Amino acid sequence: KAGVTQTPRYLIKTRGQQVTLSCSPISGHRSVSWYQQTPGQGLQFLFEYFSETQRNKGNFPGRFSGRQFSNSRSEMNVSTLELGDSALYLCASSSTGVGSINEQYFGPGTRLTVT
Amino acid sequence: ILNVEQSPQSLHVQEGDSTNFTCSFPSSNFYALHWYRWETAKSPEALFVMTLNGDEKKKGRISATLNTKEGYSYLYIKGSQPEDSATYLCAFGSARQLTFGSGTQLTVLP
Repeated sequence: KAGVTQTPRYLIKTRGQQVTLSCSPISGHRSVSWYQQTPGQGLQFLFEYFSETQRNKGNFPGRFSGRQFSNSRSEMNVSTLELGDSALYLCASSSTGVGSINEQYFGPGTRLTVT
Repeated sequence: ILNVEQSPQSLHVQEGDSTNFTCSFPSSNFYALHWYRWETAKSPEALFVMTLNGDEKKKGRISATLNTKEGYSYLYIKGSQPEDSATYLCAFGSARQLTFGSGTQLTVLP
């Protein structure tokens, strides 16, 4: 089974721009969650999509949004980038989602640098 | 805001030593406690998911215990090897999200 893939792996953007990150889950997984990791912080939960619906959302501003397509692939968008958005963005897939006993399978992450 | 604490923050041990880390979490609204291993330049990898008070899980030289009433979990590594060097993350699972601790960074010296 192919693992979780994320594209691009690295990205450099300028303050004020917007960015879209992509995540393809493991085949058959319907839940995709997004996390942000900044230096000194643990993984911070952004949101979870399940069957094309946002099911849960973390404590992030509205500049962070996402969507999920019918094939379970998910995109995350950040508008009006700020320097503080520089981070590693990880997505994770699971068969039933975060509110369950199933483990999450993580992708390799997208390293976003905002200058 | 949920508080998931891991200690110690970092740890250096000699090859062959046994070691353990702690994860503290809220004792209410508990669904599951996850442990992940995150090696440099790789993706976090699931080690265990535990749901019941008193759960004990084992995978090779690594084991974990769970106490949901007092809100803590221990991860044990027996006979540490250099390939065990990684950051070990725990995550508290509620109905709505996983909340991660900041991790314990383990370095095993040959």
